[in-house]
Amino acid sequence: GAVVSQHPSRVICKSGTSVKIECRSLDFQATTMFWYRQFPKKSLMLMATSNEGSKATYEQGVEKDKFLINHASLTLSTLTVTSAHPEDSSFYICSARETSGAETQYFGPGTRLLVL
Amino acid sequence: LAKTTQPISMDSYEGQEVNITCSHNNIATNDYITWYQQFPSQGPRFIIQGYKTKVTNEVASLFIPADRKSSTLSLPRVSLSDTAVYYCLVGFMGGKLIFGQGTELSVKP
Repeated sequence: GAVVSQHPSRVICKSGTSVKIECRSLDFQATTMFWYRQFPKKSLMLMATSNEGSKATYEQGVEKDKFLINHASLTLSTLTVTSAHPEDSSFYICSARETSGAETQYFGPGTRLLVL
Repeated sequence: LAKTTQPISMDSYEGQEVNITCSHNNIATNDYITWYQQFPSQGPRFIIQGYKTKVTNEVASLFIPADRKSSTLSLPRVSLSDTAVYYCLVGFMGGKLIFGQGTELSVKP
């Protein structure tokens, strides 16, 4: 199957700083990527839909000024957690949708964020 | 978006066939059914996808009845490494996916 990578795999930061997470589709082009967060023992929660060359669409309750999404190319989307606080600590996962064939979504390995 | 209902947990033993059924009563005409597997601290891994009848790949089979209001993921001869959470998702091709609670499968020796 198609491969999606995320960087970094884990990050620890101080409260008030900003953190950028990259999501790349390695062997296919993805006009649409999705960002999820997952708390321990819980299911994935969709945060936003990222479309190449246009503004992201955020799910209800997700602050767009807090979670900045940029999808500048067909293989890269970034999520920036601005002014991070301890409650933002979570597992962030991206997925990328193939633009051909079955348009299956493939997920990245996730990024563990810990805000101190 | 169609809501899905799965058993919260299932137990099995190595070598057995495991069938996980998912209910999606309000599935739309354009919706596909996709199953993912997730291990702790990893992103979900695509298992299988289908629209109707039966789909089979090298790791699983997916059975979808004619009314499409449910689907069953079949894992043949499970091993300890199949212990994971399995998610059934329903959505139109290329659309966003909303995760339900998933089924925590525990395979015992």
